[in-house]
Amino acid sequence: KAGVTQTPRYLIKTRGQQVTLSCSPISGHRSVSWYQQTPGQGLQFLFEYFSETQRNKGNFPGRFSGRQFSNSRSEMNVSTLELGDSALYLCASSSQAGGTNNEQFFGPGTRLTVL
Amino acid sequence: DQQVKQNSPSLSVQEGRISILNCDYTNSMFDYFLWYKKYPAEGPTFLISISSIKDKNEDGRFTVFLNKSAKHLSLHIVPSQPGDSAVYFCAASSFNAGNNRKLIWGLGTSLAVNP
Repeated sequence: KAGVTQTPRYLIKTRGQQVTLSCSPISGHRSVSWYQQTPGQGLQFLFEYFSETQRNKGNFPGRFSGRQFSNSRSEMNVSTLELGDSALYLCASSSQAGGTNNEQFFGPGTRLTVL
Repeated sequence: DQQVKQNSPSLSVQEGRISILNCDYTNSMFDYFLWYKKYPAEGPTFLISISSIKDKNEDGRFTVFLNKSAKHLSLHIVPSQPGDSAVYFCAASSFNAGNNRKLIWGLGTSLAVNP
């Protein structure tokens, strides 16, 4: 079974631009969660999608949005980029919503640098 | 407010000795706990988990202990190997107000196992 894939792996943008990141979960998994990882803040939960519906949302501003398609692929969009948005963005898939008692499988992440 | 705390940002251990990584939590509603391991430039990978109805779970060299009264869990690695050098994240799960499960992550502990 192929693992979680994220594209692109690396991205450089400038302040004010917008960016779209993509995540393809493991085949058969319907839950996709997005996280932001920065050195001082650890893993910060952005949101989770299950069967095309947002089920959980973290404490991020409205500039951060996402969606999930019928094939469970998910995209995350950040508008009006700020320097502080530079981070590793991780996507995780699981077979059940909320990660629950089963593990989440993470992709390699997208390293976003905002100049 | 950090509901899941890993108070030691880093830990250094000699190969063959025991590594003990600690995690404290504040929310008594957490009923499932997980440990993940992360190597540089990779996403986290699931290591071991424990339900709140148990106080110990063992998988090979890895054992997780849960002390609910102290709201404390620990991960023991015995014997430690150089390949165990990574960042270890503790995560806790509970239902949120919308009856959806949500994972809360600690900031991670960087373990270095020296040959």
